[in-house]
Amino acid sequence: DVKVTQSSRYLVKRTGEKVFLECVQDMDHENMFWYRQDPGLGLRLIYFSYDVKMKEKGDIPEGYSVSREKKERFSLILESASTNQTSMYLCASSLEWLLAASSLDEQFFGPGTRLTVL
Amino acid sequence: GESVGLHLPTLSVQEGDNSIINCAYSNSASDYFIWYKQESGKGPQFIIDIRSNMDKRQGQRVTVLLNKTVKHLSLQIAATQPGDSAVYFCAETSIIQGAQKLVFGQGTRLTINP
Repeated sequence: DVKVTQSSRYLVKRTGEKVFLECVQDMDHENMFWYRQDPGLGLRLIYFSYDVKMKEKGDIPEGYSVSREKKERFSLILESASTNQTSMYLCASSLEWLLAASSLDEQFFGPGTRLTVL
Repeated sequence: GESVGLHLPTLSVQEGDNSIINCAYSNSASDYFIWYKQESGKGPQFIIDIRSNMDKRQGQRVTVLLNKTVKHLSLQIAATQPGDSAVYFCAETSIIQGAQKLVFGQGTRLTINP
């Protein structure tokens, strides 16, 4: 069974704290993604990584950074958490980078981390 | 700019009826589309996908239709069951910094009434 796990389901932090969200996949996938999900806005891509130590900005990278030291692990970092970063954070991984074959492009999602910044 | 949106944010259908969830996209260059289902407390789950060289694709109880002329995507669910209650997202590919990525719509909440 394919699996993407996230370190926490619920997290409460204070403004200004440094926050680490961890994501691990056991499928040997090359590509990993971090999204945030907000009501009325759907999923928005924060950062993605297509290989170890490689990262690319998504649509909304401001206020976030990422780390991919190992293939199976992709970390999202909030250097100084702010209240507007209260959201559901979803990690995903995929085998191919949206190439020809269909189901191979499937992104497998973790269960999400609901982060509240007070 | 490019966007993916859904015509209706909520949809209620009777159990056993067919349901149709619609999606409009704006990037005519998109060549790959996916429908996801997200149940409460879970991450999105892949349902079905379709490439731009097709106009219809069928899965188990689900059919995706693509109309490139009007940039419209729909998901049809046959004989809906209580387990179909969820939020459904469409997603299209987009080129960002030379790489393909998915752009998601807002989602439609499907409720199945007994």
